[in-house]
Amino acid sequence: DLQMTQSPSAMSASVGDRVTITCRASQDISNYLAWFQQEPGKVPKRLIYAASTLQSGVPSRFSGSGSGTEFTLTISSLQPEDFATYYCLQHYSYPYTFGQGTKLEI
Amino acid sequence: EVQLVESGGGLVQPGGSLRLSCSASGFIFSTYTMHWVRQAPGKGLEYVSAINSNGGSTYYADSVRGRFTISRDNSKSTLFLQMSSLRGEDTAVYYCAFGASIDYWGQGTLVTVSS
Repeated sequence: DLQMTQSPSAMSASVGDRVTITCRASQDISNYLAWFQQEPGKVPKRLIYAASTLQSGVPSRFSGSGSGTEFTLTISSLQPEDFATYYCLQHYSYPYTFGQGTKLEI
Repeated sequence: EVQLVESGGGLVQPGGSLRLSCSASGFIFSTYTMHWVRQAPGKGLEYVSAINSNGGSTYYADSVRGRFTISRDNSKSTLFLQMSSLRGEDTAVYYCAFGASIDYWGQGTLVTVSS
């Protein structure tokens, strides 16, 4: 199965910081990559699809980039509501696979 | 409004079986590939299984292949996950979902495997 390696697994940041999370695929997945945000006790919410397309309603401080095997999620200026866990998902081939998650903490 | 409502979770002993259901509404169920995703307590998301729109193709993660069976009833807009030979590591919230990159999620149903 295709593997997704996400880093870092956790990070501390402050309101206003710019943060970047990376996902690396074990093989070329073109742009079949989505990013999700999950707050504690809640259902995951899709932020970005097709590697760089912002989901409707998601603030523009979130952005995604990359193709092939290297992808990044960037939050340009952290807000208090952004402290959550983030996951990447490859949907290039079955079974789909998630990254291990990045917990963003204050 | 899109709705996915899972049911069938509960406590089961190791080695036991359980069938999860997901009732869908608000979209044309029969035209979409459907997915199951799970999350163990305090852990990350794990992709479990998928089934294409007509049920003719199914896909499984290595961790459940041979023990879990995904199916669907398009006439009732319902997705199923038959789980057998359950293990402690199958304890998780199980989410029903759909969309090419999993746009929509249900609220999940908790499965606990314990003696």
